[in-house]
Amino acid sequence: EVQLVESGGGLVQPGESLRLSCAASGFTFSSYWMTWVRQAPGKGLEWVANIKQDGSEKYYVDSVKGRFTISRDNAKNSLYLQMNSLRAEDTAVYYCARVDGRAGVGWGQGTLVTVSS
Amino acid sequence: EIVMTQSPATLSVSPGERATLSCRASQSVSSNLAWYQQKPGQAPRLLIYGASTRATGIPARFSGSGSGTDFTLTISSLQSEDFAVYYCQQYNNWPLWTFGQGTKVEIK
Repeated sequence: EVQLVESGGGLVQPGESLRLSCAASGFTFSSYWMTWVRQAPGKGLEWVANIKQDGSEKYYVDSVKGRFTISRDNAKNSLYLQMNSLRAEDTAVYYCARVDGRAGVGWGQGTLVTVSS
Repeated sequence: EIVMTQSPATLSVSPGERATLSCRASQSVSSNLAWYQQKPGQAPRLLIYGASTRATGIPARFSGSGSGTDFTLTISSLQSEDFAVYYCQQYNNWPLWTFGQGTKVEIK
């Protein structure tokens, strides 16, 4: 069974940094693209970033380019999202998901990031 | 950038009735479209991919249709557990994704 568990969320001030983690189990992590998707309070889903199986390709939504970095450690079955220069508009629940056939097949339960002074 | 527009924003339906949700793309996405269901406090769940293929474990009352720019998700007979928010998502621009803004299906 696919299991994804996010961690690392919390309350930070504007301009600060945060690193999210996603621990994967129940599947061969190194065989799949992975993604981060966020959801601001009361709002819809917004794709954030995708990363290829070996980490050689990374793609981002325009609003986070230059501030967020997606990475992975296949030896640790873990996905990461380094978030720098955080803004109030980055406040959201952040989900990691496994990509299968280019759609998000298995999702974690999310971790809440709140950016506020 | 491909913009996905869902309608209506809210759909009021009685249990047992049919629900029809629409999703329109600003340019053709071929059949590279998925539908997700999200219940309050839960993560999204994949329902449909390839515009019309049900994901593993998804009941037959859920069906998807369309190609190009116009897509439909139909729930043939709404069950109590189907009241939720539904999102369409294009992956024709892979590895970039775009989601629609969602349609909330509520009890009438």
